[in-house]
Amino acid sequence: GQNIDQPTEMTATEGAIVQINCTYQTSGFNGLFWYQQHAGEAPTFLSYNVLDGLEEKGRFSSFLSRSKGYSYLLLKELQMKDSASYLCAVDGRNDMRFGAGTRLTVKP
Amino acid sequence: ETGVTQSPTHLIKTRGQQVTLRCSSQSGHNTVSWYQQALGQGPQFIFQYYREEENGRGNFPPRFSGLQFPNYSSELNVNALELDDSALYLCASSLGGAAGNTIYFGEGSWLTVV
Repeated sequence: GQNIDQPTEMTATEGAIVQINCTYQTSGFNGLFWYQQHAGEAPTFLSYNVLDGLEEKGRFSSFLSRSKGYSYLLLKELQMKDSASYLCAVDGRNDMRFGAGTRLTVKP
Repeated sequence: ETGVTQSPTHLIKTRGQQVTLRCSSQSGHNTVSWYQQALGQGPQFIFQYYREEENGRGNFPPRFSGLQFPNYSSELNVNALELDDSALYLCASSLGGAAGNTIYFGEGSWLTVV
């Protein structure tokens, strides 16, 4: 079967660091996406990992371990506007399969 | 702004009716994918069109069908609507297939079936 698992909800404090984990088991794998989705809006692209390791992009970093079927999104210096759902998605053969998303709430 | 536009943005249909949703892809993008996102869930892949041919399909029944036109715009058609079809329908465009390319989403069409 194909599974993409991520925590349902997380809460963190403004200015802190939070790590959102994603584990996957899929039949095809070309890479892994992270998207941010604010309530009522379309997902917006954050990162795409193909090779193992950490990729940093400003306050956001994404890590991939293909052998472990594991990725995480790291958000630093959290801001209130980072409150959103974060979607992990596997880039497969002619499709993209999403996890259910992690709803992050940033508190003052 | 992603350059991907969808219409209509909101609509209400009755169970058993048919609906057509439309998507204009970003300029130069030849691939369009459709997703269904129920409230509180991640997007579920419906199908993908590449150069007017369906080249990938998720676990959706045949009453979900689509088209891609020569200008790469696309339609999603759903027949015999059911209450569970109520969801946000997202269109995403890319250059080439999903592999290795950034995919840009439209704002979605909110469908309510009553």
